[in-house]
Amino acid sequence: GAVVSQHPSWVICKSGTSVKIECRSLDFQATTMFWYRQFPKQSLMLMATSNEGSKATYEQGVEKDKFLINHASLTLSTLTVTSAHPEDSSFYICSATNTAYEQYFGPGTRLTVT
Amino acid sequence: RKEVEQDPGPFNVPEGATVAFNCTYSNSASQSFFWYRQDCRKEPKLLMSVYSSGNEDGRFTAQLNRASQYISLLIRDSKLSDSATYLCVVPMTTDSWGKFQFGAGTQVVVTP
Repeated sequence: GAVVSQHPSWVICKSGTSVKIECRSLDFQATTMFWYRQFPKQSLMLMATSNEGSKATYEQGVEKDKFLINHASLTLSTLTVTSAHPEDSSFYICSATNTAYEQYFGPGTRLTVT
Repeated sequence: RKEVEQDPGPFNVPEGATVAFNCTYSNSASQSFFWYRQDCRKEPKLLMSVYSSGNEDGRFTAQLNRASQYISLLIRDSKLSDSATYLCVVPMTTDSWGKFQFGAGTQVVVTP
């Protein structure tokens, strides 16, 4: 299967700081990537659709100024959590989809804000 | 009603037994469906894609019932390693390429 990497795999930061998470599609070009968030014992919630070369599309209730997404190339999308607070602590997962609608996920980034 | 609904379980299954569970979806126009498995604190991994009436891959069989709008996943000869949460995934809308709706997952626990 396709490989999608994420970095870092886990991060602890202080309240008020910003954290950048990278998502890379390693063996296919992805014009579209997706960012999800998952709280314990809950399903994945789509946060935004990251489009290469254009602005991201955010789902309802997701603050675009807080969760900055940049998709600068066909293999890299970044999510920056700005001014993080403890309630932003979660498991953030990116994914890339191939032309057969098959979605491949990165290993996720576990963010803890203290 | 949720877009995609699953029985959360857990389904406690003796090793070697068969387990099956369903996923109902609300968008009758959906053409493709996916089962993913997610281990604790890990990312989902694609298990099976379903585009027509069903699909089979080894011990895993997925069936689609369009009339009743559900897909099922059956696991035969359960192994301890099958213990996981199984996520049902359906594209959100036909014109939103790549956007998916996830079920909350069905937990399967295979016991020795």
